Amino acid sequence: QLQLQESGPGLGKPSETLSLTCTVSGGSISSSSYYWGWIRRPPGKGLEWIGSIFYSGSTYYNPSLDSRVSMSVDTSKNQFSLKLSSLTVADTAVYYCARHVRYHNHPNWFDPWGQGTLVTVSS
Amino acid sequence: DIQMTQSPSSLSASVGDRVTITCRASQGINNYLAWYQQKPGKAPKLLIYAASTLQSGVPSRFGGSGSGTDFTLTISSLQPEDVATYYCQNYNNALTWTFGQGTKVEIK
Repeated sequence: QLQLQESGPGLGKPSETLSLTCTVSGGSISSSSYYWGWIRRPPGKGLEWIGSIFYSGSTYYNPSLDSRVSMSVDTSKNQFSLKLSSLTVADTAVYYCARHVRYHNHPNWFDPWGQGTLVTVSS
Repeated sequence: DIQMTQSPSSLSASVGDRVTITCRASQGINNYLAWYQQKPGKAPKLLIYAASTLQSGVPSRFGGSGSGTDFTLTISSLQPEDVATYYCQNYNNALTWTFGQGTKVEIK
């Protein structure tokens, strides 16, 4: 059974860079059937897709975050990572990693998801 | 960008009631729609993809329908364990993936 687990600091300061890692267990991150994605949920708001990465390093980013987002993959550790720069309080959210299922050669729905990690941006 | 609008934003219903949640896309998305359930303090769980295909293990009281711009998620007989927030998600656009704002379901 595939499982994903987010890790990283729970607190960040404005203008700094957030770094999160997602560790995948129970399956290989190097499968051609999946991308791997990050999604967040700010307090009291809905879900927002941040970006997705293929094991080869190919990425899609949300255009509204594109200038601040960077994702990478480490197949040897079965992990993928997110960096979000120039943090503001609006980046406070629960951050989830998820498997982005590929169908007809492009990513579609997300399944399964990690438990999520709360990141608070505050000075 | 394609916008996804859910209604209502919240609802309260009795155990055994039939519950319907609507998701409307700002432009046609064929049947490229998924539904998720998020219980308090838990990760979202995929319920339905391709607008009407039930994910393995999801109870049959959940059903999805629609195509183009208008979609519905139906719970045929609401159970206490169905208390959650439900989200739709569009995957028609090859470059971005967007969610509705969520519908919170409570027991009356």
